[in-house]
Parts: sequence; C-alpha cells; structure tokens
Amino acid sequence: GDSVTQMEGPVTLSEEAFLTINCTYTATGYPSLFWYVQYPGEGLQLLLKATKADDKGSNKGFEATYRKETTSFHLEKGSVQVSDSAVYFCALTFGGSNYKLTFGKGTLLTVNP
Amino acid sequence: SQTIHQWPATLVQPVGSPLSLECTVEGTSNPNLYWYRQAAGRGLQLLFYSVGIGQISSEVPQNLSASRPQDRQFILSSKKLLLSDSGFYLCAWTRGGGSTDTQYFGPGTRLTVL
Repeated sequence: GDSVTQMEGPVTLSEEAFLTINCTYTATGYPSLFWYVQYPGEGLQLLLKATKADDKGSNKGFEATYRKETTSFHLEKGSVQVSDSAVYFCALTFGGSNYKLTFGKGTLLTVNP
Repeated sequence: SQTIHQWPATLVQPVGSPLSLECTVEGTSNPNLYWYRQAAGRGLQLLFYSVGIGQISSEVPQNLSASRPQDRQFILSSKKLLLSDSGFYLCAWTRGGGSTDTQYFGPGTRLTVL
C-alpha cells in the first residue's frame, strides 16, 4: 500500500539555522503531496502542497519540491525562527471520491533562541 | 469562508463511560468528513471517513463508531471507553467529488480516559 516515511525526530536547531526534513513516499502512480504543521495543542494546518512532478510548494519561507525520480518531497527553510517550533507531517493522496490522506509519523522541530 | 468546529476541546472520562464528540463544518455543502486519532508521541491514524449522509467507512476495527446525521455534522461515539482510547481526536473535511484539494482540520479534542 501507499506509505510516507519521514526522518526521525526530534530535530533541535538554533534560530537562523537551515532546516531540512526529509520525506519519501511509496505509491503506485503520482500522488499529490503535502506538508502539514501542528503547533502545540492545535489541529493541523496546511503548510504547502504540490500536485505534480517538479512542482515547488512554498509558504512562510518553507519550500518543498516534488521529485518523481527520487519519490521525495523534502521540506526546507533557509532560516528558522523560534515560532517555527512544531510537529511537521508529510502526506500524500490520490484524491478520488474518498480522498484519503496517508501521513508520515511526524517530525518534532524545536528551535532555540 | 469555511470553518470547522469541534467540541468539547478537552474531556476527561472514566473507563467504561460513553463518549460523544461532535464536529461541524460551515460554509460548504456535501463535504467529505474524517475522524483521526493522534496518540501521544505518534502520528495520525484515520479512524472513519464519510462521503455523504449516513455513509460511514471504518478504517480500523475498535470500540468506536461514527455517524453523520446531517450533511455537515460528524459524530464520534463509544459505548464504553477504554484506557487506550486516550488521545487527541481531529476532525477534518475536504470538498467532495473527487478533487485533490486540501484537507482542512479542526482544532481537536483532547480525551483522557482514567
């Protein structure tokens, strides 16, 4: 079946450091890919998405590029802030009438001042 | 604009007691609706989804059930809670009809079973 693998956390960085959170997927076909963020005690919010190969999603300084060759969708940010501390989830879907998301296990990011 | 509500926000229940969590969506019609559980330190587990009134699909066998009595209302229930039911319950919606649009999440309900 479809699956998403994220790098194990937790990840701890200093403010202004470069961030990469790896995400790879296994799926038959070409899904849409998402990054969601969950701040402490809250629900999930969409951070960015890409619906086809070579698309780049971006939002709030975060970027991720849909790489079909490596089946990857790594999340990057050039300079993290304390306010970026959260859990980040990579996810995929093929849409369709059921539209089910398959999530990775999440990566906890802590940014220290 | 669309909004999604969940209540209660926090709940502490004894083992063996019943459960009812409610989720409602405003500003859209005929959405797909989803219930997820997030156990402490773990990822999201899809419990149920619904593509229409009275249509419920279960992903994981357990002592929970779901119902959709109205187009934009989704209820998660249990007759007798277990300790293992503790967790953070999230409701989500997406536009129906086979799109690959974004899935939007509610604020969640923190359930502690003692």
